[in-house]
Amino acid sequence: DAEITQSPRHKITETGRQVTLACHQTWNHNNMFWYRQDLGHGLRLIHYSYGVQDTNKGEVSDGYSVSRSNTEDLPLTLESAASSQTSVYFCASSAAGPGELFFGEGSRLTVL
Amino acid sequence: GEDVEQSLFLSVREGDSSVINCTYTDSSSTYLYWYKQEPGAGLQLLTYIFSNMDMKQDQRLTVLLNKKDKHLSLRIADTQTGDSAIYFCAETVHNKLIFGAGTRLAVHP
Repeated sequence: DAEITQSPRHKITETGRQVTLACHQTWNHNNMFWYRQDLGHGLRLIHYSYGVQDTNKGEVSDGYSVSRSNTEDLPLTLESAASSQTSVYFCASSAAGPGELFFGEGSRLTVL
Repeated sequence: GEDVEQSLFLSVREGDSSVINCTYTDSSSTYLYWYKQEPGAGLQLLTYIFSNMDMKQDQRLTVLLNKKDKHLSLRIADTQTGDSAIYFCAETVHNKLIFGAGTRLAVHP
């Protein structure tokens, strides 16, 4: 069955370290998205991509970057982790348009 | 700003109906969505409604849309303990999906 997987599921890191969260989907979807989930804020869009070599900033993109070198993967990099980036991160993909998203199970990141 | 608003918490008795409300911002949103998040998991699409409809029914789920007031609701009939989860409404704004903060539904016996 097609799926979307995130790794690691849990990570603890220190302030200032670079961190990369992986997202891999086997749906062959063109569209991929990264969200963060924080209490009281719901899901906020970090970055998104509509195809290979395409990346776009979302509403909370500062301190994050993504790259899309193939259809299956959209890694999320925190250049210099900050405590404010402690959160649960969700990757999602869709075949057509942003609405019908398939989500990964999330990556819980703690920055100490 | 782009704010989709939901109440944060709802508690219902098993067997009763649950109604989760949402107000959205963009009157041009073509589709409006309800997603469900179970503990420790990602979100799953529950149902959606096209903006030219005012009601959609899918088994125990009924979605009502009031475009004039930009109000969306999700009714769950005969609520079960397995319905305990966080429910997010979402709208499409500038081809991006914007989520509300989520309503935590607690079902008690």
